[in-house]
Amino acid sequence: NAGVTQTPKFRVLKTGQSMTLLCAQDMNHEYMYWYRQDPGMGLRLIHYSVGEGTTAKGEVPDGYNVSRLKKQNFLLGLESAAPSQTSVYFCASSTVGRDLKETQYFGPGTRLLVL
Amino acid sequence: GENVEQHPSTLSVQEGDSAVIKCTYSDSASNYFPWYKQELGKRPQLIIDIRSNVGEKKDQRIAVTLNKTAKHFSLHITETQPEDSAVYFCAASINYGQNFVFGPGTRLSVLP
Repeated sequence: NAGVTQTPKFRVLKTGQSMTLLCAQDMNHEYMYWYRQDPGMGLRLIHYSVGEGTTAKGEVPDGYNVSRLKKQNFLLGLESAAPSQTSVYFCASSTVGRDLKETQYFGPGTRLLVL
Repeated sequence: GENVEQHPSTLSVQEGDSAVIKCTYSDSASNYFPWYKQELGKRPQLIIDIRSNVGEKKDQRIAVTLNKTAKHFSLHITETQPEDSAVYFCAASINYGQNFVFGPGTRLSVLP
């Protein structure tokens, strides 16, 4: 098992450009999440999904869109990148909670720099 | 919505001493509380977690305690070692993992 993988690992964008971050998991997890991590602010939830075809807003959703067309993939889109979106982005996945398997498994992160 | 506070923001201890990190949460409906360790440049990794129906959980040198009445939970690391140096994050979740809110993190330094 590869676990949770993210593509790309690093990207530089100019203000106004768009891009899509890809998260893939091979653990058949129902839940998937996108976080951003900024210095001194911990992890903040952008969007999450509780199953294929569903998405929901987290704490900081503005400026991002997501899609979960396949259970194993969760895409994060930036339509018009801004310098404030410079951050490290982590994807995570987990199973449903009722069977005591709520553990989140994180991907390696994507470092995004918006100039 | 849920708000998680974490203290202290930095903590330095001598090797072999104990370290305690405390988190408070605001939403009494939160029922799952994990702790993550993140080393520099790496992804967060779960080290221990606790559910709301349990008051304490221990795993070797690491323990977590939960006080539902006061809405706080704490991470205890005994016999600290240099490899324990990292940033530790607490989190709270409603519906056992559907939506996580993280604390801002504690940078732990274990001095040899």
